[in-house]
Amino acid sequence: SAVISQKPSRDICQRGTSLTIQCQVDSQVTMMFWYRQQPGQSLTLIATANQGSEATYESGFVIDKFPISRPNLTFSTLTVSNMSPEDSSIYLCSVQRLGRNTEAFFGQGTRLTVV
Amino acid sequence: QKEVEQDPGPLSVPEGAIVSLNCTYSNSAFQYFMWYRQYSRKGPELLMYTYSSGNKEDGRFTAQVDKSSKYISLFIRDSQPSDSATYLCAMSVAAGRRALTFGSGTRLQVQP
Repeated sequence: SAVISQKPSRDICQRGTSLTIQCQVDSQVTMMFWYRQQPGQSLTLIATANQGSEATYESGFVIDKFPISRPNLTFSTLTVSNMSPEDSSIYLCSVQRLGRNTEAFFGQGTRLTVV
Repeated sequence: QKEVEQDPGPLSVPEGAIVSLNCTYSNSAFQYFMWYRQYSRKGPELLMYTYSSGNKEDGRFTAQVDKSSKYISLFIRDSQPSDSATYLCAMSVAAGRRALTFGSGTRLQVQP
C-alpha cells in the first residue's frame, strides 16, 4: 500500500478566495489523480496529474478553476480557485504505484466548505 | 445512463448476516474491478481487487465478477458492526486512461 498525506483535512473558506490542497506520498508513483466527492455522491475524477507534463482534465473541469502542480513523483497540489458554495465538497488525491497500473490508494480527503 | 450503477441503500442488516453488495456497468472494456470501503470522514480504503471474471476470497469478503452480465458483487460473511460503512465499487479499463470509474456507493449499517 501507499501512505498518502493530504492537507488540510478540512477548511471553511469565503467565496471568491482560493485554496490549495497538498498531497504527499511516501514513495514514488507514476500517476496521481484528483477526485471530488460531493455530499452523498460518488467520486468524480477532476484530473490526472503526471510528473513533467500538463495535467489532463476531465469534461466539466478546467485548468483555470482547478490548477494542478506535480513537481516530482511524490507530491502534487490542487488549487480550487475563485470558490463558490457549489465547490463545497470533499477533495481526494489518489495514487497508483510504479508497476501497478490499476490498484489505487487514497488520501483521507480535504473537506471544503465555502460560505 | 451512468457507466456504473450501484444501489445507494441504505442497507441495514443484523450482526452475523451475509451481506450482498452489487454493481452493474455498461462499458465492456472494463477489465479491473475493485471494492472500496469508506468510513465517515475518511478516504476510500481498498478492500478487494480482481481482474476479469471470476471469484476472489479474502477472509470474510468474497468478490465476484461476471463480465458476460456486466455485474459484480461483494459478499460479506458474518457481518460485524465495524463493517458499517459506505462500499464503493470501482472499475478501470486495461489500457489507456487508468483512472477509476466509481459507483455511487452503498451505505451499509450492521446492527449489533
